[in-house]
Amino acid sequence: AQTVTQSQPEMSVQEAETVTLSCTYDTSESDYYLFWYKQPPSRQMILVIRQEAYKQQNATENRFSVNFQKAAKSFSLKISDSQLGDAAMYFCAYRSYRYNNNDMRFGAGTRLTVKP
Amino acid sequence: EPEVTQTPSHQVTQMGQEVILRCVPISNHLYFYWYRQILGQKVEFLVSFYNNEISEKSEIFDDRFSVERPDGSNFTLKIRSTKLEDSAMYFCASLELAGGPREQYFGPGTRLTVT
Repeated sequence: AQTVTQSQPEMSVQEAETVTLSCTYDTSESDYYLFWYKQPPSRQMILVIRQEAYKQQNATENRFSVNFQKAAKSFSLKISDSQLGDAAMYFCAYRSYRYNNNDMRFGAGTRLTVKP
Repeated sequence: EPEVTQTPSHQVTQMGQEVILRCVPISNHLYFYWYRQILGQKVEFLVSFYNNEISEKSEIFDDRFSVERPDGSNFTLKIRSTKLEDSAMYFCASLELAGGPREQYFGPGTRLTVT
């Protein structure tokens, strides 16, 4: 079974600075998808960024980028120019490529605090 | 932009009662899911549903739980004989196609409180 590990329960960053959130996963599959979701106090799950495992290029979405290391099974999220609105829980998630096993597996989350 | 909706936003029930949580997935999506998040913990998969039947379920989804798509739009989660430990946020999600990198779209969640 696939497992996702987020080893940082809490992180803090100064506004306008850069922060990196860590995620590792365990799988025997070669094709899969990885996601970062943001959960603000409203508890809505909001997609931040996605990465296809077959792509070597790291995904980027504006201030958000990932460092995907497939061999190391590592998928970290970098937030540049942090803003107060970035404060939230961040969940790393894995989804299998197989069409009949496509539920999301989530890590325990990292609570990000942004200091003004 | 299309979105997944869930009702109610908050449900309070007494232990032993039955509750039904409702979801309206995005209209052209074919795969539907329920997830649970106990306060302060990670999001956990409960069940996936495709072509009017359960595709996969986790060990959390015991025989007190059931899902149904009673019409072309709603997707419901029923919990019978509720327990205190069922108190959690329940998220519905939908996916257009199983193949491809598209993410599951999550609803805003229903907070279930069992007293």
